[in-house]
Amino acid sequence: QSALTQPPSVSGSPGQSVTISCTGTSSDVGGYNYVSWYQQHPGRAPKLMIYAVSKRPSGVPDRFSGSKSGNTASLTISGLQAEDEADYYCYSYEGNYPYVVFGGGTKLTVL
Amino acid sequence: QVQLQESGPGLVKPSETLSLTCTVSGGSVISHYWSWFRRPPGKGLEWIGHMYFSGSTNYNPSLKSRVTISVDTSKNQFSLKVSSVTAADTAVYYCARLIAATGFFHFDYWGQGTLVTVSS
Repeated sequence: QSALTQPPSVSGSPGQSVTISCTGTSSDVGGYNYVSWYQQHPGRAPKLMIYAVSKRPSGVPDRFSGSKSGNTASLTISGLQAEDEADYYCYSYEGNYPYVVFGGGTKLTVL
Repeated sequence: QVQLQESGPGLVKPSETLSLTCTVSGGSVISHYWSWFRRPPGKGLEWIGHMYFSGSTNYNPSLKSRVTISVDTSKNQFSLKVSSVTAADTAVYYCARLIAATGFFHFDYWGQGTLVTVSS
């Protein structure tokens, strides 16, 4: 069982917005601004989409945004596109060994 | 542009040791953390562990007793060993670079992944 809780699946229609949650504790998500999100298409390597809660790496569309409230981080994808259909994972720094915690992943389906 | 490439046997027998290497190009292993992940069929992405180039390591507690990560600065490579493998260790294995500094803790560059099947 993963330390961070994500919904197994979410869905939305093209053009809509969806939000994926990632719930932890005050020892990880709530205690540090070190949440990152990764997108993984079938058969492909994971790709960094968001780091430090809300920062986007160069090349990631601004349709992807991250936020945090208390012990829950969120990834919001606006203006859904077919290419956004993928699995999404959240990772966070934790204050105790082994210092890494992660979610079980969320499958995003674009209807 | 940093690139990572995994290599190693695609088939390992039960009870044996799985060994993979990740070759780093376009950058140096020095002054960075290096990580391994895996994704078993039908399951999610799992962090295995990471190592600083100078030797300190952190491992997923669920695998810690069987995992060793090492870095070879002379070859600009790092490696993963998983001992006493079973079918549950069948997965696509990925290597990645961890950025760990004040204000940053994320995995920025990833290898393409390599499938390892545990079977007799």
